[in-house]
Amino acid sequence: NAGVTQTPKFRILKIGQSMTLQCAQDMNHNYMYWYRQDPGMGLKLIYYSVGAGITDKGEVPNGYNVSRSTTEDFPLRLELAAPSQTSVYFCASSYGSNEQFFGPGTRLTVL
Amino acid sequence: KQEVTQIPAALSVPEGENLVLNCSFTDSAIYNLQWFRQDPGKGLTSLLLIQSSQREQTSGRLNASLDKSSGRSTLYIAASQPGDSATYLCAVNHAGNMLTFGGGTRLMVKP
Repeated sequence: NAGVTQTPKFRILKIGQSMTLQCAQDMNHNYMYWYRQDPGMGLKLIYYSVGAGITDKGEVPNGYNVSRSTTEDFPLRLELAAPSQTSVYFCASSYGSNEQFFGPGTRLTVL
Repeated sequence: KQEVTQIPAALSVPEGENLVLNCSFTDSAIYNLQWFRQDPGKGLTSLLLIQSSQREQTSGRLNASLDKSSGRSTLYIAASQPGDSATYLCAVNHAGNMLTFGGGTRLMVKP
């Protein structure tokens, strides 16, 4: 099992550009999450999904969108990148409310 | 709103010492609590998961305890080694679908 995979590993965007961060899991988990981690801080939840076709906002959803068309994939979309979105983004998955498993992260810089 | 605090923020110990990392949370109505390890520039590795009905969990040299009524968890590391140097994050699952993270404890174990 590859676990939770994320692409790309690194990305630099200009202000106003858009991009999609990809996340996939092969553990047949129903729950998936997106978190962001700012330097020296803990993680904050952006969006989560409890199953295909179902998504909901977390603590810091502004400026992001998600979709969940399959159990395996949970992409995160940034429409108009802003410097405040410079962060490390982590995708995670779990079976219900059980242990969450994290991907390696995407380091995003917006200039 | 659930808030999670980790004390101390940083800790430096000589190799071989036993140490305790602390985590406190404000809302005792939790599903579970998870301890993670994060190496610099890397993703999160799950160390231990304690369900709300449990008092402690052990894995090798690690032991995590949970006291829901007082809103506290501790991570005990026995016979610390330089390879244990990392940031340790505590996260509380209080709504069944998201984790609230503490700010982490940055541990340095000196040879």
